[in-house]
Amino acid sequence: EIVLTQSPGTLSLSRGERATLSCRASQSVSSSYLAWYQQKPGQAPRLLMYGASRATGIPDRFSGSGSGTDFTLTISRLEAEDFAVYFCQQYGSSPPWTFGQGTKVEIK
Amino acid sequence: EVQLVESGGGLVQPGGSLRLSCVTSGFTFSAFSMNWVRQAPGKGLEWVSHISAASSTLYYADSVKGRFTISRDNAKNSLYLQMDSLRAEDTAVYYCARATFASGRSDYWGQGALVTVSS
Repeated sequence: EIVLTQSPGTLSLSRGERATLSCRASQSVSSSYLAWYQQKPGQAPRLLMYGASRATGIPDRFSGSGSGTDFTLTISRLEAEDFAVYFCQQYGSSPPWTFGQGTKVEIK
Repeated sequence: EVQLVESGGGLVQPGGSLRLSCVTSGFTFSAFSMNWVRQAPGKGLEWVSHISAASSTLYYADSVKGRFTISRDNAKNSLYLQMDSLRAEDTAVYYCARATFASGRSDYWGQGALVTVSS
């Protein structure tokens, strides 16, 4: 099973600042099979990114990068609606498909 | 508009059973694989199970293998999760989600159904 470790656990930033979230895998993951989700309190997760591609309706301030075992989600300029918890997920050819434990982006 | 609506959650005693349903609309259900994903209170996400469009491929997380059964009825645009031999650690919100490219990646999610296993 591929274990995903996200860091930091919590990121305290202000609106307009840049957010950099890390996701590290215990073994190599194809970048095509690494996704990011956003979850707000009381809501279901929402797909943000898969590989370097944004999901439908996701603004271009969100970007994904990385390869091998190290992946990054970047939010270029935080908006009020971006304060949430973010999860990475690997979904390679064989299950189990695992998630990271999440990074909370909170208002400083 | 794509919609997924779960039902069937509730309180059940350890060792009991529960069946979750997910009714979908707004897309051609029979063309898509589906996933169940759960989230224990205050915790992260855990992929639970996957079913292919024609029900020919089924996958389960080790934590539920042998106890949970995923199924679907394409004529009713519905997905199911039969949960038997429930344990306290199965307490979670269970989400049904549409899979993309027959994988664990999910692009649309329901609002979730809370399952509480407690005596």
